[in-house]
Amino acid sequence: AQKVTQAQTEISVVEKEDVTLDCVYETRDTTYYLFWYKQPPSGELVFLIRRNSFDEQNEISGRYSWNFQKSTSSFNFTITASQVVDSAVYFCALSGGGGSEKLVFGKGTKLTVNP
Amino acid sequence: GAGVSQTPSNKVTEKGKYVELRCDPISGHTALYWYRQSLGQGPEFLIYFQGTGAADDSGLPNDRFFAVRPEGSVSTLKIQRTERGDSAVYLCASSPTGTFTQETQYFGPGTRLLVL
Repeated sequence: AQKVTQAQTEISVVEKEDVTLDCVYETRDTTYYLFWYKQPPSGELVFLIRRNSFDEQNEISGRYSWNFQKSTSSFNFTITASQVVDSAVYFCALSGGGGSEKLVFGKGTKLTVNP
Repeated sequence: GAGVSQTPSNKVTEKGKYVELRCDPISGHTALYWYRQSLGQGPEFLIYFQGTGAADDSGLPNDRFFAVRPEGSVSTLKIQRTERGDSAVYLCASSPTGTFTQETQYFGPGTRLLVL
């Protein structure tokens, strides 16, 4: 069975601090995909990144960066120089191979960035 | 272009009643997904459509839940004999083809269902 664990339930930082959100996953599939979504207070899930299991290169997009390590089954997300607008719940999700299109989500990490 | 839309945005009903929740996917997307999100939890998969057919309904909790997509576009999630435990946000997502590529799923704003 697939499982995603986001051990940090809530994180609170002060603006301009860097913050890392942890994600650990479990799967028996050799091909799988990992995602991060942002859910602001408005409620709509916003896609941030999609990464397949064969691509372990880290990715940077502006203030966001992702560190994928298959050896530790982790796909961590770092926000550099956090801003108040980054306040949201962030979800890590896993989608397996074999024709299974469903996403398995973690419980989410609520990030609060204080001014 | 327009994103995924869901109606109603909020629905309050009484225990035992029947409800229908509607999802309008991104134009041209053939894959459509329903998820349920309880308070403080991540979304949980309910059902996935490829065109008009349900390709995976393994997440439907019981036979009170049913979903259709008769013309391969709009989908309706139907809940019979609602129970208080059905209260949650019901999310719909769509992706271009959904064919073995684990495409990105784009989510709608959700329908918040409250069963009294």
